[in-house]
Amino acid sequence: EVQLVQSGAEVKKPGEPLRISCEASGYSFISYWINWVRQKPGKGLEWMGRIDPNESYIKYSPSFEGHVTISVDKSTSAAYLQWSSLQASDTAIYYCARRVGSHRNWYFDLWGRGTLVTVSS
Amino acid sequence: QSVLTQPPSASGTPGQRVTISCSGSSSNIRRNAVNWYQQLPGTTPKLLIYDDNKRPSGVPDRFSGAKYGTSASLAISGLQSEDEGDYYCAAWDDSSNGHWVFGGGTKLTVL
Repeated sequence: EVQLVQSGAEVKKPGEPLRISCEASGYSFISYWINWVRQKPGKGLEWMGRIDPNESYIKYSPSFEGHVTISVDKSTSAAYLQWSSLQASDTAIYYCARRVGSHRNWYFDLWGRGTLVTVSS
Repeated sequence: QSVLTQPPSASGTPGQRVTISCSGSSSNIRRNAVNWYQQLPGTTPKLLIYDDNKRPSGVPDRFSGAKYGTSASLAISGLQSEDEGDYYCAAWDDSSNGHWVFGGGTKLTVL
């Protein structure tokens, strides 16, 4: 089955580090870029950045650059989103999504079920 | 403040046709395809419309998309109670070295 399986919910304290994962299965992992999307409680979707699993080329949204790190492990078909120091404002659901399509006609056809990250003292 | 502008809410009765608008600019909607995502309560976003007006396999033809210049719209005909949820438009934006932008979302209520 073609799917993106995300790691489980996390509860952390402010200042703690965290890495969440998104494991792909059922398709060629290196063929499609993986994107990360944030959804704060009761709010809309925000694009955080993306990675090309084959070249490990990364692009961040200006709103998130410097605060998160996106990486990938081709050997395990997994993408990662990590924080070195969480803040309460990072409390949200984080989705990974696969990008498909063609030039100027890209879209996210496959989404993970999301990882809920709660940051509270 | 989202780059793409959607009405915060929309509503209709079963069987009605509802339209949700999405307003952008020349750096996003005019130049790039518009996609629509449906997020039913407590679930993951799901691709509803891609490439302005195409439906993925399994999406009923009650859902349709259109684009006109820097704006796009999603139409839902024959409204059903299970359509109640949030709808987001999205497009690639060529400004600032390129990034994805989403609308703020429209909460659809079936009365």
